[in-house]
Amino acid sequence: AQKITQTQPGMFVQEKEAVTLDCTYDTSDQSYGLFWYKQPSSGEMIFLIYQGSYDEQNATEGRYSLNFQKARKSANLVISASQLGDSAMYFCAMREGPGGTSYGKLTFGQGTILTVHP
Amino acid sequence: DTGVSQNPRHKITKRGQNVTFRCDPISEHNRLYWYRQTLGQGPEFLTYFQNEAQLEKSRLLSDRFSAERPKGSFSTLEIQRTEQGDSAMYLCASSLGSLAGGFKGNNEQFFGPGTRLTVL
Repeated sequence: AQKITQTQPGMFVQEKEAVTLDCTYDTSDQSYGLFWYKQPSSGEMIFLIYQGSYDEQNATEGRYSLNFQKARKSANLVISASQLGDSAMYFCAMREGPGGTSYGKLTFGQGTILTVHP
Repeated sequence: DTGVSQNPRHKITKRGQNVTFRCDPISEHNRLYWYRQTLGQGPEFLTYFQNEAQLEKSRLLSDRFSAERPKGSFSTLEIQRTEQGDSAMYLCASSLGSLAGGFKGNNEQFFGPGTRLTVL
């Protein structure tokens, strides 16, 4: 069974500083996808970044980058130059690859609340 | 707005009543997912449709829960005889997948704003 672990219930960062949110995963699949979503207090889930298990380079999307260490089964999110608007809940999620019968659904971690201080 | 929409946004009901939620996915998306999120937790998968076919249901989806996606467009999630433990945010997501299975790109799931259910 798939499992996503986010060990940081809360993180604090100073505005304009970088912050790393941890995510480790467990799967027996060779093909899978890793996602990060942001959930502000308003409740909507906003897609941030995606990393495929066979992608050789770490994914980047603007100020977001994913530090993918396959051997360690970790997929940490790095937010550079934090902004006040980055304060939100952040979820790491995994999607099983196409070889399984349950591909498509996302398995989410418990989330990390990020607070950006001015 | 061409995103995923959900109605109602909020629903307060008394224990034992039936409730129905609606999700309108992005029009060209053939895949539709329902998730449930309780306070302070990540979303948990409930069920998945590929077009009109319901291909997977979580064990979380008790027999009081039923979901449909007639004609492969909008979807409804009905909860019968609601219990206080059903209080949660119900999220709908849609994505584009190939008809033969597998993935197209990252197959990012786009989420709707959710329906917050409170059972008194």
